[in-house]
Amino acid sequence: EAQVTQNPRYLITVTGKKLTVTCSQNMNHEYMSWYRQDPGLGLRQIYYSMNVEVTDKGDVPEGYKVSRKEKRNFPLILESPSPNQTSLYFCASRRNGGEQYFGPGTRLTVT
Amino acid sequence: SQQGEEDPQALSIQEGENATMNCSYKTSINNLQWYRQNSGRGLVHLILIRSNEREKHSGRLRVTLDTSKKSSSLLITASRAADTASYFCATDLSNFGNEKLTFGTGTRLTIIP
Repeated sequence: EAQVTQNPRYLITVTGKKLTVTCSQNMNHEYMSWYRQDPGLGLRQIYYSMNVEVTDKGDVPEGYKVSRKEKRNFPLILESPSPNQTSLYFCASRRNGGEQYFGPGTRLTVT
Repeated sequence: SQQGEEDPQALSIQEGENATMNCSYKTSINNLQWYRQNSGRGLVHLILIRSNEREKHSGRLRVTLDTSKKSSSLLITASRAADTASYFCATDLSNFGNEKLTFGTGTRLTIIP
């Protein structure tokens, strides 16, 4: 089954404690993205990758890192999480010009 | 402000009625896509319309695109309670060197049984 998986689905952590949210897709898509969704603000792109070892900033990259060492994986790293990073996070993938496939979401709370 | 702006922000209709949502955007696009999101879940792709297309159908969905007005509409006919969800338009601005699929803030649709 074609899908994007992300883990964990729920995470509560404390300020400053490094965390990683994993993302994997099985569709051999070139493009992968991370979004955050906040009430009233819609989805905002954090980072994207157009292929292995090619990543770039989206609209709200501050406080986040990503890597793309393999085509299928695109982890999101928060080196020092802060409360303003409490949000619902989505990983997504697609082919150039195609539809976006979304993961199920990770609800992160930073206290 | 967002590249894509949906209108209205919220819509409540009786089951069986048609629902229309609009999306306006600012710059030239490669294509425009509509997505649906059930509460707290991942977005699901509904339909993609390319910049050289004017209308597209998929089941009970009809999407139009007017590039001269930089606007699109999503029509859901014969609505059902299961159509209750948030609907987002996304404008594809991707070109060589970047990946830019920008989402609006969505229309919250409620179907009243």
